[in-house]
Amino acid sequence: AIRITQSPSSLSASTGDRVTITCRASQGISSYLAWYQQKPGKAPKLLIYAASTLQSGVPSRFSGSGSGTDFTLTISCLQSEDFATYYCQQYYSYPLTFGGGTKVEIK
Amino acid sequence: EVQLVESGGGLVQPGGSLRLSCAASGFTFSSYWMSWVRQAPGKGLEWVANIKQDGSEKYYVDSVKGRFTISRDNAKNSLYLQMNSLRAEDTAVYYCARVMSGEMDVWGQGTTVTVSS
Repeated sequence: AIRITQSPSSLSASTGDRVTITCRASQGISSYLAWYQQKPGKAPKLLIYAASTLQSGVPSRFSGSGSGTDFTLTISCLQSEDFATYYCQQYYSYPLTFGGGTKVEIK
Repeated sequence: EVQLVESGGGLVQPGGSLRLSCAASGFTFSSYWMSWVRQAPGKGLEWVANIKQDGSEKYYVDSVKGRFTISRDNAKNSLYLQMNSLRAEDTAVYYCARVMSGEMDVWGQGTTVTVSS
C-alpha cells in the first residue's frame, strides 16, 4: 500500500497568515492526489484534485502543487472559516490511502 | 441538489452484522463509481471500499476483506455496505461518497456504527 505522510499534524496560525501543508507519498503517484477540508462533526469537503485543480466553488486562496511524491496545499490568506482539519488522499492505486491529517488551529 | 444520505448505523455486538445504505439523488447514480469511507472516533479518514458503476469491480481495504461487501442497486439509486463479523475496531462514522476520477467530490453526512458489548 502507498503510505502518505502528512505534515505537520497540527499548526497554529492567525487570520491573514499564509499556511502550507505537505504530503509525501511512499512512491510516485503522478498527480493523483486530492485535498479535503473537514470541520468538526461534518463530512469532508473536496478542495483540490489532480494535485492542483481547484474544485468548483472553492475560494482561490486555496492552491495545490506537486507531482510524483511531494505535494503541497497552500492557503494564501487564512480566513476564520478555514480553521479545520485537512487531509490529502492518493488515488493512484488501491488501496486508496489518506494522510493522517493536519489540524489548523487559531493562534 | 446533489445529495447522499446514509442510514443503517447503530449499536451492534462484536461478531454481529449491520447493513448500511446510502440513498443518492440529484445526479445520475449509475454513471459513477461510489465509495465508503470511515472515521473512527478522534481519528483520521480511512477508505473502506469502492464499486464500479455496474457493480462489476469492487475493491476493499485489507482490514475488511472477507467481512464487508459493497453493493449497489442502480434502479433504486442506492449504495450498500454489508458488514459481518464486526469488531470493536470497526467503530466509526461511515460516509458514502461519489467518486470522480478517484477523488471524492460529494459526501453524505455519515452514519455512526458502534461495535460494543
